[in-house]
Amino acid sequence: GAGVSQSPSNKVTEKGKDVELRCDPISGHTALYWYRQSLGQGLEFLIYFQGNSAPDKSGLPSDRFSAERTGGSVSTLTIQRTQQEDSAVYLCASSLSGGTNEQFFGPGTRLTVL
Amino acid sequence: DAKTTQPTSMDCAEGRAANLPCNHSTISGNEYVYWYRQIHSQGPQYIIHGLKNNETNEMASLIITEDRKSSTLILPHATLRDTAVYYCIVRGVYNFNKFYFGSGTKLNVKP
Repeated sequence: GAGVSQSPSNKVTEKGKDVELRCDPISGHTALYWYRQSLGQGLEFLIYFQGNSAPDKSGLPSDRFSAERTGGSVSTLTIQRTQQEDSAVYLCASSLSGGTNEQFFGPGTRLTVL
Repeated sequence: DAKTTQPTSMDCAEGRAANLPCNHSTISGNEYVYWYRQIHSQGPQYIIHGLKNNETNEMASLIITEDRKSSTLILPHATLRDTAVYYCIVRGVYNFNKFYFGSGTKLNVKP
């Protein structure tokens, strides 16, 4: 079956603009995660959705970052008034449920803020 | 918040076993040890996880010490395609959404 997909694969934007990043999880997966990976660094947890529960937003770096998940499936990560330090690869993962289930990662969106 | 310590890089000859160590001295009783790897420009890929018993699957083996303060990921016959960054992660049952990925170990498999 299809894996996790993300779009766009690359995004170049100007400082101060808003961007939206999309994640399509594996069908039937109730848990969805967003991570950020800066160049040469490990992954940084951003936000977690589990079913219809309120998301865990504790990893979002500032109030310019927000995410939603419609209908328990597709998720959108929005960054408002982008800054150069937002440049990174944004990775989405899904798992069958939370707990100890394996996370399947998408290919990521490379965001470059000029 | 660093919960694991790994060497920055390791080399391994093709066809030999690659043994990647990880220290997690502050691990608590309900926390699992996970291993993921990330091949250049791709998303991370799950390898294996365990709680206290050694685990084996088609990709690798995970050896966890009896005190659970360290573990070793073993790739029994490394190939060039195993060249990647390997992340050792400690994840709790209750804070399971918090996956702390450190900087990992860059494994270089050489012909």
